[in-house]
Amino acid sequence: DIQVTQSPSSLSASVGDRVTITCRASQSVSDYLNWYRQKPGEAPKLLIYAASKLQIGVPSRFSGSASGTDFALTISSLHPEDFATYYCQQTYTTPFTFGQGTKLNI
Amino acid sequence: EVQLVQSGAEVRKPGESLTISCKASGYKFTNYWISWVRQMPGKGLEWMGKIDPTDSDTKYSPSFQGHITISIDNSITTAYLQWGSLKASDTAIYYCARHNTNFDSWGQGTLVTVSS
Repeated sequence: DIQVTQSPSSLSASVGDRVTITCRASQSVSDYLNWYRQKPGEAPKLLIYAASKLQIGVPSRFSGSASGTDFALTISSLHPEDFATYYCQQTYTTPFTFGQGTKLNI
Repeated sequence: EVQLVQSGAEVRKPGESLTISCKASGYKFTNYWISWVRQMPGKGLEWMGKIDPTDSDTKYSPSFQGHITISIDNSITTAYLQWGSLKASDTAIYYCARHNTNFDSWGQGTLVTVSS
């Protein structure tokens, strides 16, 4: 199985800050790496797909990048609704695997 | 509008069986796989398995193989997740999601509580 290691597990920040969350895959996943945001009590929401493509309707403050098996999600300027938990996911091969999650705290 | 609407919360005893559902609408059902994802209380997301609506082909995570069954009824565009014998450790929220290479639409989640 492909392991996806996400870091950090938690992060404290303020409105307006720029933050970056990273994921490392245990082997190549090409660009089959997605990012989701989950607010408390809600289902996850797709933010970035194929490592760097912005999902329709998602604000442009979210961006994704890739370098080999290392991937990053950057939020350029935090809004209040961004304080949530973020997950990466590889869909290169089954079993699809999620990162452990990053909880973004105020 | 794409929608995945899941069945309501369930409470069962250990050893009992259960089937929960996911009704899809707003898109061509056979164009996307359906996956099920588990979220245990206070924990992260775990992929359980997927089904291809075109031929009902299924793939399961090794962590769940043999404990769950995923099925589909194309005539009513509904996917199902079934347990034959629940354990207390099955207590969780279960999400369905449609996907090709990304999970772009999710159900609202079904809370399953297993307790004696």
